[in-house]
Amino acid sequence: GDSVTQMEGPVTLSEEAFLTINCTYTATGYPSLFWYVQYPGEGLQLLLKATKADDKGSNKGFEATYRKETTSFHLEKGSVQVSDSAVYFCALISGGSNYKLTFGKGTLLTVNP
Amino acid sequence: SQTIHQWPATLVQPVGSPLSLECTVEGTSNPNLYWYRQAAGRGLQLLFYSVGIGQISSEVPQNLSASRPQDRQFILSSKKLLLSDSGFYLCAWSKLRQGVTEAFFGQGTRLTVV
Repeated sequence: GDSVTQMEGPVTLSEEAFLTINCTYTATGYPSLFWYVQYPGEGLQLLLKATKADDKGSNKGFEATYRKETTSFHLEKGSVQVSDSAVYFCALISGGSNYKLTFGKGTLLTVNP
Repeated sequence: SQTIHQWPATLVQPVGSPLSLECTVEGTSNPNLYWYRQAAGRGLQLLFYSVGIGQISSEVPQNLSASRPQDRQFILSSKKLLLSDSGFYLCAWSKLRQGVTEAFFGQGTRLTVV
């Protein structure tokens, strides 16, 4: 079945540092890939997405590129802010699994001033 | 635009009491619907998902059940709550549209079983 593996962290960075959160996947067919963000006490918000190989999703300074050859979708940001502190989830949907939405375990990011 | 409503936002229930959490989606038709639970820590556990009315797939056997009485309504239920049912419950929907699959979440229900 489908699966998503992401670095579990926690990740602690200073403000303006570079962020990478690794995500790799296994899926039937050609999945759509997502990054979600969960701020403390809230639900999940879609941060960015990519639907085919070499697509780059971007939002709020975050980027991730759909790499089919390495089955990866790593999240990056060039300069993090304190307000980026949250849990980040990598996820996929694959038609081969009847559109079941599969998540990684989440990565807690803490950004210190 | 599409929106997803989930209620209540918080709920405190005694052990052994019934549960009914409701989720509705507006602005789309025939979505895939999901119930997740986020227990201690931050991991998301898929409980149920549905690709159509009356079609429910259960991922984890437990004392919860789900129903989809209408196209855009998804209900999570229990006849008798356990302490271990406490957690943050999230409803989500997805739709394949013009070759792009999108998935969105409700704001969640924080359930405390006492």
